[in-house]
Amino acid sequence: AQKITQTQPGMFVQEKEAVTLDCTYDTSDPSYGLFWYKQPSSGEMIFLIYQGSYDQQNATEGRYSLNFQKARKSANLVISASQLGDSAMYFCAMREVSQQFYFGTGTSLTVIP
Amino acid sequence: DGGITQSPKYLFRKEGQNVTLSCEQNLNHDAMYWYRQDPGQGLRLIYYSQIVNDFQKGDIAEGYSVSREKKESFPLTVTSAQKNPTAFYLCASSNYQGGLNQPQHFGDGTRLSIL
Repeated sequence: AQKITQTQPGMFVQEKEAVTLDCTYDTSDPSYGLFWYKQPSSGEMIFLIYQGSYDQQNATEGRYSLNFQKARKSANLVISASQLGDSAMYFCAMREVSQQFYFGTGTSLTVIP
Repeated sequence: DGGITQSPKYLFRKEGQNVTLSCEQNLNHDAMYWYRQDPGQGLRLIYYSQIVNDFQKGDIAEGYSVSREKKESFPLTVTSAQKNPTAFYLCASSNYQGGLNQPQHFGDGTRLSIL
């Protein structure tokens, strides 16, 4: 079974609008960490935001927030006030106690002017 | 500044040739990882190492080899046994001791192509 599932291969959003990128995960560990990364066309992976399995509040980092629903095993990334520079691939990842990282297949986001 | 350096940025391989991709980090991280990314695809784990002189195979280790003789360095060799090596290769490191909230830090990647 896939550890991380991203069901949206591609998404479009109007500039200045908000967009939600979906991510569901599968683990039996009680302790785990969830991450989102941005990959621009240049290829580097940029860490955006982190959510711990025991965190009571949703993580926020500037225009990025994480909608964490533990019972549903989902960790959706919300980008508010989209900018043209947000156009990129976005990857959801999970870190288990084993220290192994698991990545989803990514969502390509295009911001339309 | 601390970070991960991958070299070269672009690499070309001839048929039957082994090539080595360099990855160096000065973040004092224990764990290092190699991923392969094909166009429009996600990251697939090739090898990872949690400590010097020890490493484990990932999901697609066939045709690749690694070494971890120093904490700072984790070179990846793409051997002639890897029949379809054209891809983007990313090296990453993480703080093994710091807990689950420690993200992976990535290098800028190496694009490998077949001549």
